[in-house]
Amino acid sequence: DIVLTQSPASLAVSLGQRATISCRASESVDSYGNSFMHWYQQKPGQPPKLLIYRASNLESGIPARFSGSGSRTDFTLTINPVEADDVATYYCQQSNEDPYTFGGGTKLEIK
Amino acid sequence: DVQLQESGPGLVKPSQSLSLTCTVTGYSITSDYAWNWIRQFPGNKLEWMGYISYSGSTSYNPSLKSRISITRDTSKNQFFLQLNSVTTEDTATYYCARSAGYLYYFDYWGQGTTLTVSS
Repeated sequence: DIVLTQSPASLAVSLGQRATISCRASESVDSYGNSFMHWYQQKPGQPPKLLIYRASNLESGIPARFSGSGSRTDFTLTINPVEADDVATYYCQQSNEDPYTFGGGTKLEIK
Repeated sequence: DVQLQESGPGLVKPSQSLSLTCTVTGYSITSDYAWNWIRQFPGNKLEWMGYISYSGSTSYNPSLKSRISITRDTSKNQFFLQLNSVTTEDTATYYCARSAGYLYYFDYWGQGTTLTVSS
């Protein structure tokens, strides 16, 4: 199975500043010119919500403050500027190889 | 709008089987996409369990392969999870979710149903 390691496990960012979350895969998640890495936001008591698909594509209805980048084994989710509503846990997920796996999550708090 | 809703018993005894239902509204499960079960353990780890595709084919996480079955009732636009021989380690929140084409990211999720395995 592809193991996804997220860092940091938690971070505190001031309102209006940038938050950067990393996801590293144990092997490449690229195939056919695509990066099969996706990002989700989860708030307490709610299911995960898709933010970014295929590494850098913004899901419909998601604010442009969210962006994704990376390829092969190293990926980043950036939130800039951070707003109070962004307090949540963020997960990466790969779908290049069955079984599809998730990272352990990064908890974002406001400083 | 596509909506998914899980339902289930809430509590199951060890060694029994669990059965969950996902009811989909706003989209036919036979039109396209794959229809998944994902669970989240206490401590928040997420695990993809498997899917049934619009054509009826299935794929399961190898870690569960001997215990899991995903089926569907197309007349009711529902799909089901059965997990056999449950233990306390199967205690989790269970989500159903739609995954998009060959990309297999999860774009619509149900609200989740909590399942506790306890005697």
